[in-house]
Amino acid sequence: GESVGLHLPTLSVQEGDNSIINCAYSNSASDYFIWYKQESGKGPQFIIDIRSNMDKRQGQRVTVLLNKTVKHLSLQIAATQPGDSAVYFCAEIVNDYKLSFGAGTTVTVRA
Amino acid sequence: EAGVAQSPRYKIIEKRQSVAFWCNPISGHATLYWYQQILGQGPKLLIQFQNNGVVDDSQLPKDRFSAERLKGVDSTLKIQPAKLEDSAVYLCASSLRTGSYEQYFGPGTRLTVT
Repeated sequence: GESVGLHLPTLSVQEGDNSIINCAYSNSASDYFIWYKQESGKGPQFIIDIRSNMDKRQGQRVTVLLNKTVKHLSLQIAATQPGDSAVYFCAEIVNDYKLSFGAGTTVTVRA
Repeated sequence: EAGVAQSPRYKIIEKRQSVAFWCNPISGHATLYWYQQILGQGPKLLIQFQNNGVVDDSQLPKDRFSAERLKGVDSTLKIQPAKLEDSAVYLCASSLRTGSYEQYFGPGTRLTVT
């Protein structure tokens, strides 16, 4: 079965607010995690990644936090925009190359 | 840089019929992946190629699904015969090589089996 999962299937956020999307994983041997964004009718798009030897990584308006103690990672989106409306997946690398995806969180941005 | 191309974008067939999907990866990408994404779920890897060789097909239902990448570039995924539960989006992705974690996804083919 899947070894990563997201806490909430949906998230509604006001435009301009910050979004936090959570993900729990079960494979303690995973050493690499990726967040993907999937817009309607499109394939998943890479957002940001993090290795297990890091606690935090920042990109443009996004930050990923990794807590290995509780096997949890989160994606924070600053100043959420309408274009951020999408399904967000966390994924982990298993067996050195295989991506294992969670079920996804649908983010809806309210104007 | 051109992205991963897939065709057709949509396909509707009746159960027990056959269907084939085509994928053209990003130029120079040695590794190609086929995923199945059932509505409301994350993508699930079906098969992975490194050039024209299969790296992993452990989750491919081999009694009805087949895939090939004969010249190490384009790939086709076939289902024969289709079942209702095969209704899903079939995503193709490519990466520079196996172990290159950044995979680039195509737009997918939405298959509906009636």
